[in-house]
Amino acid sequence: EPEVTQTPSHQVTQMGQEVILRCVPISNHLYFYWYRQILGQKVEFLVSFYNNEISEKSEIFDDQFSVERPDGSNFTLKIRSTKLEDSAMYFCASSETGPSTEAFFGQGTRLTVV
Amino acid sequence: GNSVTQMEGPVTLSEEAFLTINCTYTATGYPSLFWYVQYPGEGLQLLLKATKADDKGSNKGFEATYRKETTSFHLEKGSVQVSDSAVYFCALKAAGNKLTFGGGTRVLVKP
Repeated sequence: EPEVTQTPSHQVTQMGQEVILRCVPISNHLYFYWYRQILGQKVEFLVSFYNNEISEKSEIFDDQFSVERPDGSNFTLKIRSTKLEDSAMYFCASSETGPSTEAFFGQGTRLTVV
Repeated sequence: GNSVTQMEGPVTLSEEAFLTINCTYTATGYPSLFWYVQYPGEGLQLLLKATKADDKGSNKGFEATYRKETTSFHLEKGSVQVSDSAVYFCALKAAGNKLTFGGGTRVLVKP
């Protein structure tokens, strides 16, 4: 069964460092997303990406964040200068098409900023 | 804006008990509704969905009916197993493609 894969599963970084979280969405999907879940809190939308551009982003997704689809398969989230409050589980997701189709989630990357 | 409210947990049950997790939503337009499950140490998995009013989603013995008149999408299972212990998230997708999640409900099923 096709699945969304994320690497690494766990990343520890020092405050102020840049991190790149990687995702391989399901191959025939057109929409890609990043969500995050701070420990004990709800899952929050960060950004959606379609047709090689951001289609929607939340207020969390400020200038410190960027997304890229550098080739035909990977989808990355970059945090330019990490802060302690960026510590969270980051989930990548993809979906085939529009609102009624389900989003498939990866296993997540646990980011710990120290 | 859009929002999802679900009952706070944890919900602790014995095996074979009946489970209900309440979920209500606020949204513009006609959202699609979803239940996702997160097993310990794992990511989010879609459990079931409903895309229009009065639709019933079902999977693995779980059911939820899209009730537009009460803006609800309550999750039910008639007889839970220990393996159903997880965190359950109600979510909606309205205009645009982002999911809006509820706070999650932790369910613990004891043998």
